[in-house]
Amino acid sequence: DAGVIQSPRHEVTEMGQEVTLRCKPISGHNSLFWYRQTMMRGLELLIYFNNNVPIDDSGMPEDRFSAKMPNASFSTLKIQPSEPRDSAVYFCASSDRRAGFSYEQYFGPGTRLTVT
Amino acid sequence: QKEVEQNSGPLSVPEGAIASLNCTYSDRVSQSFFWYRQYSGKSPELIMSIYSNGDKEDGRFTAQLNKASQYVSLLIRDSQPSDSATYLCAVKGAGTYKYIFGTGTRLKVLA
Repeated sequence: DAGVIQSPRHEVTEMGQEVTLRCKPISGHNSLFWYRQTMMRGLELLIYFNNNVPIDDSGMPEDRFSAKMPNASFSTLKIQPSEPRDSAVYFCASSDRRAGFSYEQYFGPGTRLTVT
Repeated sequence: QKEVEQNSGPLSVPEGAIASLNCTYSDRVSQSFFWYRQYSGKSPELIMSIYSNGDKEDGRFTAQLNKASQYVSLLIRDSQPSDSATYLCAVKGAGTYKYIFGTGTRLKVLA
């Protein structure tokens, strides 16, 4: 079975540019999570969706960040405009929270973002 | 006070020894506990989940949970150099899907 798929794997952009990160969750999973990982702050939850609906976006750092999940198999995280302090690895994870399933989250390979 | 605390390490153990990784959490009503392994430059990989007090074994790995002490640990028996990685503890509270991750413990298994 395919795991969580993320694209691109690496992104280098200049300050002020728009960046869009993409995620395809594991088929059948109904919860999706976006995380950011840096050396200084570790792994931080940005936002999570349940059944395509954003449940908690309290971790989104500011209005420059937005996330959407138009259907069960696709989500985007957009940064506009990007800043050097946004440089990090962004992970997407998914889980199946239907009755009888565990809350285990499975991570994608991540997108390494560098903003110069 | 951090919600999930781990010693950052590095924890160095010789090959073949038992590695013991510890995690404490502050939310007393936390229900679910997870251990992830993360190799440098890679994504977190789920190793173990534990939901009730006691021990849970899977191969060389044993997770231990003590809710009264708010403590969860991971034991790795017969440690191998390939076990060298950062181990992340994650805790899920009641009534939420959110995990709170610790900052991880770096394990080095010396050949």
